[in-house]
Formats: sequence, structure tokens, C-alpha cells
Amino acid sequence: AQTVTQSQPEMSVQEAETVTLSCTYDTSENNYYLFWYKQPPSRQMILVIRQEAYKQQNATENRFSVNFQKAAKSFSLKISDSQLGDTAMYFCAFSSMDSNYQLIWGAGTKLIIKP
Amino acid sequence: GAVVSQHPSRVICKSGTSVKIECRSLDFQATTMFWYRQFPKKSLMLMATSNEGSKATYEQGVEKDKFLINHASLTLSTLTVTSAHPEDSSFYICSASPLGQSSYNEQFFGPGTRLTVL
Repeated sequence: AQTVTQSQPEMSVQEAETVTLSCTYDTSENNYYLFWYKQPPSRQMILVIRQEAYKQQNATENRFSVNFQKAAKSFSLKISDSQLGDTAMYFCAFSSMDSNYQLIWGAGTKLIIKP
Repeated sequence: GAVVSQHPSRVICKSGTSVKIECRSLDFQATTMFWYRQFPKKSLMLMATSNEGSKATYEQGVEKDKFLINHASLTLSTLTVTSAHPEDSSFYICSASPLGQSSYNEQFFGPGTRLTVL
């Protein structure tokens, strides 16, 4: 069975700093998808970034980028020039055909951006 | 695009009553809708997966007679918490996967419903 582990329950950084959130996963599959979701205090789940396992190039979305290490089964999220609005819970998630594309969730990391 | 709504956003009810939560895909048709439960400061827990026109598939440990799911159309799924008790108090989130859009059933999430059972 697939599992997703986020080992950082909470992190805090100063505004404008760069922060990296860690995520590791376990699977025996070769083709799968990885996601980072953001859940701000409003509790609306928002997709931040997505990575297809067959793509070697790391996904980027503006200030958000990932470091995808397939062999190490690692999928970290880097937030550059952090902003107050980045304060939220961040969840790493895994999806594959083997799980009928259901999302397997990590426990989440609470990120606090300090002014 | 890809907006999912939930109604109500919050509900308070008395123990023993039933509560219905609606999940609608506003600008797309959804073959599959998912219902999650989220406890404070915790991750999402999948309760069930529903496909339009068929019975929902419940995760292990979720009582299907307690949490009734109906996916009557390609834009609407409902979750009814029957005979609610205080332990059912939680944040319930739905998500929807657009019909034939992607190879990995991308999910779009509703804003959630906070249920408080007194």
C-alpha cells in the first residue's frame, strides 16, 4: 500500500524567506502523480503544484517549485519569497492507477509566515 | 473554471436528527465525487467514493447506513448524516473529478461543511 509521510508538523519563517517542506512516499509503482495542496484558514483546499512521475523535470509554478527525487521517493516543496498569504496547512498527496487515482494524503505541515 | 460548491457551509443540529450536505460541480460534469472528513489539525480522511448512477464505495470503518451518499446526477452528490451524534461533529469536504478530462482523475474541492451536533 502507498503511504505519504510529512515529517515536519509545523514550520515558521520570516516573510520573503525561502522555505522547503519535506515529503516522502512509498510505492512499488512506476507511474504515479504527486501533489502539493494548500489549505489556508478558510479551509478551502487549493492545488499548489503537480508532478507526473514519468517527467524528470521538476514542476514549477511561479514562487513554488518541487524537488522530485524518484529514486529516493522524495517530493519536497520550495516556496521562494514567502508571503503572509502563504500561511496555511500544506498537504502532500499521491495518486496512481493502483489506488484508482484516489488521493493518499500526508499528515500535513503547518506553515506560518511571520511579518 | 472547475468550481465545486457545498451547501450548507456550516450546520448545527440536535443529536438524533439527520443532516444533508450537498456537493455541486458548477461548471463541469463529474463522473466521480469523493467525500472526506477532516478532524482539527489533521489530514483528510476519505469516507467514500461515489460515481453517478451507482452505489457509493465506502472506506473501511465508515458506516454506510450512517453516512448515506447519493450521486443522482453528473453535477450533484449528497451526503446525509443520519441520526447524528456529537461524535459526528467534524468538517466534511467533497471533491469532484471532471468527466474524461485527465488521466489521473484530478479532484477539485468544495469549501467544506462544518457540522456541529449538540
